[in-house]
Amino acid sequence: DIQMTQSPSSLSASIGDRVTITCRASQGIVSYLSWYQRKSGKAPKLLIYGASTLQSGVPSRFSGSGSGTDFTLTISSLQAEDFATYFCQQGYSTPTFGQGTKVEMK
Amino acid sequence: QVQLQGSGPGRVKPSETLSLTCTASGDSFSTFYWSWVRQAPGKGLEWIGYMYNIRSVNYNPSLKSRVTFSVDTSKNQFSLRLNSVTAADTAVYYCARWVPALKTFDSWDQGSPVTVSS
Repeated sequence: DIQMTQSPSSLSASIGDRVTITCRASQGIVSYLSWYQRKSGKAPKLLIYGASTLQSGVPSRFSGSGSGTDFTLTISSLQAEDFATYFCQQGYSTPTFGQGTKVEMK
Repeated sequence: QVQLQGSGPGRVKPSETLSLTCTASGDSFSTFYWSWVRQAPGKGLEWIGYMYNIRSVNYNPSLKSRVTFSVDTSKNQFSLRLNSVTAADTAVYYCARWVPALKTFDSWDQGSPVTVSS
């Protein structure tokens, strides 16, 4: 299996902050990387697929970049509704996921 | 986007069989891939498998010997059966729609917690 290492596991940030989360694959996955947001008790929400393609309806403050083994999710200006857990997923082979990053209020 | 609603027993006894069902809203149910993913307490998400129809199923090798998927297209439902459960199968189980062209899960349910305990 391809291992996905996500960092940090948690972070504290304020409204308006720029937030960056990284995901590293144990081997090259081209651009088959997705990012999801999950809030407590709610369905996970697809934010980005193909490493950088924004899912329909997702605010443009979310962006993704990277290819090969190193990927980044960036929230350009954190909003109140963005406090959540984010996780990555590779689709190059049988799907595997990062451990998640919890974004908390500072 | 499709709406997914999972349902399950909440609690299962060790060595018994866990059964979960997911109902999808909308049309074209039979044209999509359907998947199960779980997350045990303190652990990351684990893909269980996905299916297109009963003849096209792909299971996680680590669970393949214990898991069976089924589908009822007349009800827009797909189901998971996991036999011989242990405490290690305690998890939140999610159903999701897999989009193979994009290698992503584009819709999820909110998850069904299952505890394996006597």
